[in-house]
Amino acid sequence: DGGITQSPKYLFRKEGQNVTLSCEQNLNHDAMYWYRQDPGQGLRLIYYSQIVNDFQKGDIAEGYSVSREKKESFPLTVTSAQKNPTAFYLCASSMPRPYSNQPQHFGDGTRLSIL
Amino acid sequence: AQSVTQLGSHVSVSEGALVLLRCNYSSSVPPYLFWYVQYPNQGLQLLLKYTTGATLVKGINGFEAEFKKSETSFHLTKPSAHMSDAAEYFCAVVNNAGNMLTFGGGTRLMVKP
Repeated sequence: DGGITQSPKYLFRKEGQNVTLSCEQNLNHDAMYWYRQDPGQGLRLIYYSQIVNDFQKGDIAEGYSVSREKKESFPLTVTSAQKNPTAFYLCASSMPRPYSNQPQHFGDGTRLSIL
Repeated sequence: AQSVTQLGSHVSVSEGALVLLRCNYSSSVPPYLFWYVQYPNQGLQLLLKYTTGATLVKGINGFEAEFKKSETSFHLTKPSAHMSDAAEYFCAVVNNAGNMLTFGGGTRLMVKP
C-alpha cells in the first residue's frame, strides 16, 4: 500500500543535541511538507519542498533544517537552536501545482520530547 | 492571505445526536476546502474535500459538508454521532498560490454515551 512512513514514533532529545526525523513516501508525490503540532494550536508549517533539491521555509522554520536529495525522502533536523522542540511533528506529501485540488497525505507523526 | 476559523475548540454531543463543526474561511480566489480527522497520536486523515461543482460534499464515515460562498463557510455535519467519531477535526483551505494548506485551529469532538 502507498503511504507515508515517519520514524521514529517517539524521540527524545538532550540539551544541545540535534535530532533528525525521518519521512519517506512511496506515493510518487513531488511535494512534501513538515508541520509542527502543539496542543490547541493546530498545525504550523515548518518547511516544504515542491521538487527534489529545492525547499522553502514555512511559518516557523527557525531552529529547523531539511534536505530533499531524493523524491521519496524529506528528513527534518531539529537543531539545538530550537529552544522549545517538544511537539508532535507531522510529515505530509501531495501532488504539486497545478494539482492543488488534491489533498495532502499525512504520516502518523513523531512525538519529540526533551530529556 | 488565507485564513481558517473553526468556531469552538471543543464540541460535546451525545451519542446519536447531530454533529455540527463550524468552519469559516477567507480566500481571494475560489477556494479548495478540506476537512481532516485526527485520532490520538496519529496523522491526519482526509474526510472530504470541495473543489468545484456540487456544494454539498459527502465524505467518509457518514460526514458531509456544504460549501456556502455567500457565508464563506464549510461546516461539517453528521446526522448521528457514534462513539468512534471522538477525535480532533481540522478544516483547511489551499492558499492562493496553490502550493500550501492553511489549517484552522482544530475542534475536538467528544461523544457522550
